Amino acid sequence: AQTVTQSQPEMSVQEAETVTLSCTYDTSENNYYLFWYKQPPSRQMILVIRQEAYKQQNATENRFSVNFQKAAKSFSLKISDSQLGDTAMYFCAFEFSGNQFYFGTGTSLTVIP
Amino acid sequence: EPEVTQTPSHQVTQMGQEVILRCVPISNHLYFYWYRQILGQKVEFLVSFYNNEISEKSEIFDDQFSVERPDGSNFTLKIRSTKLEDSAMYFCASSERGAWGFADTQYFGPGTRLTVL
Repeated sequence: AQTVTQSQPEMSVQEAETVTLSCTYDTSENNYYLFWYKQPPSRQMILVIRQEAYKQQNATENRFSVNFQKAAKSFSLKISDSQLGDTAMYFCAFEFSGNQFYFGTGTSLTVIP
Repeated sequence: EPEVTQTPSHQVTQMGQEVILRCVPISNHLYFYWYRQILGQKVEFLVSFYNNEISEKSEIFDDQFSVERPDGSNFTLKIRSTKLEDSAMYFCASSERGAWGFADTQYFGPGTRLTVL
């Protein structure tokens, strides 16, 4: 069975600072994808970043980057230069078969002005 | 940029009534999904659909639920007899084929908020 764990229910960061959200997962699969989705108060699910497990290089998207440690089954999200618009719920997700995403329970991030 | 659309944005229904939630996936995508999110909880998988049939379904997706792709563009979720506990946000998602021959990134619609009274 695949599980995704986000151990930080809530986090806060000062505007312009850097914050790291943690995610660990458990799987016996070798090829898979990992994702971070952002859910603002509108509740829309917005893709933030994607990582392919076979790639050793960590994915980056502007201010967002990941630290992917395959052996440790860890996939953390780093947000640099935090902005007020980053305030949202962040979900880590895992996919290996194309049939479903396995989501973590989410981390609520508040950016403080 | 292409996006997944869902209608209605909010549906209010009486317990025991049937509801149909509609989704228009991104046009060249082959894989379709429904998820639900009860307020304050995580997103839960309901069902995946590929090649005009269900690929996988969760325990939540019981006989009260059905999905259909009635034409080349729509993808619907039907709940036959709604219960109070069906109140949730329902997300549709779609995906194209990825590098390993199965689905890649899932793009989510804005959701339909279902309220069962």
